[in-house]
Amino acid sequence: DVKVTQSSRYLVKRTGEKVFLECVQDMDHENMFWYRQDPGLGLRLIYFSYDVKMKEKGDIPEGYSVSREKKERFSLILESASTNQTSMYLCASSLSASSGNTIYFGEGSWLTVV
Amino acid sequence: QQPVQSPQAVILREGEDAVINCSSSKALYSVHWYRQKHGEAPVFLMILLKGGEQKGHEKISASFNEKKQQSSLYLTASQLSYSGTYFCGTEPDQGAQKLVFGQGTRLTINP
Repeated sequence: DVKVTQSSRYLVKRTGEKVFLECVQDMDHENMFWYRQDPGLGLRLIYFSYDVKMKEKGDIPEGYSVSREKKERFSLILESASTNQTSMYLCASSLSASSGNTIYFGEGSWLTVV
Repeated sequence: QQPVQSPQAVILREGEDAVINCSSSKALYSVHWYRQKHGEAPVFLMILLKGGEQKGHEKISASFNEKKQQSSLYLTASQLSYSGTYFCGTEPDQGAQKLVFGQGTRLTINP
C-alpha cells in the first residue's frame, strides 16, 4: 500500500515563526502536492512538484514556499506564519502527471497559529 | 473554477440511497471522488475519465457527463460506514493532475 506520511499531526506556532511541514511518500511517486483544507472551502492546492527540485504554484501559493530535494520528500514552508494560515494541511502524491492516476493523501497536519 | 457540489449535507437512515452531484463551469477531462472521515486522510473512491463512462465500486457508483460538465456519485443501500465528507476533484486538462476540489458534501448515516 502507498503510504504518505506527514511527520507532524498537530502544531501550535506563534505569529511570525518559520514553520516547516514535512511529507514523505514510500512509493517512488513522481508527483507530490500540498493542499490546504478549510471548512466550507474544500481542498485548495498550494504547490505541487512533478520532479525533484521542480515546483509549480497552485491556486493559493501566497505566503508559502516548498522544497523538494529528494524524490520521496516534499516540504511546505511558511516563512512567517500568520493567523490566517491556521488550517489543516494535506500532503499527497501520485505516480506521474498522467491523467487517471490516483492521488494518495496523508493524514494531515493541523496547524494553529496564535 | 471550483466545482460546486450538491447537496452540502444529507442525513439518511441506514439502507437508504443518496446521490451527490458535482458541477463544473469548465470542460473536464476527469473527475475524482474521495471520502474523508473526520480526522483522517481523504480516501480514493474512483476516477472517471472523459468519455461519459459510469463506474461501480460495490454499492457506490458514479457517472460522468462531459457535455454537461457534471458527475454524480450514487450510494445504494447506504451503510453506517459510508458516513463522512465526500469530495469531487476535477481535472480540466489532460496530464495536469492539478485537481480542483469541490467544497464537500457531508453525509450522515443513522441506524
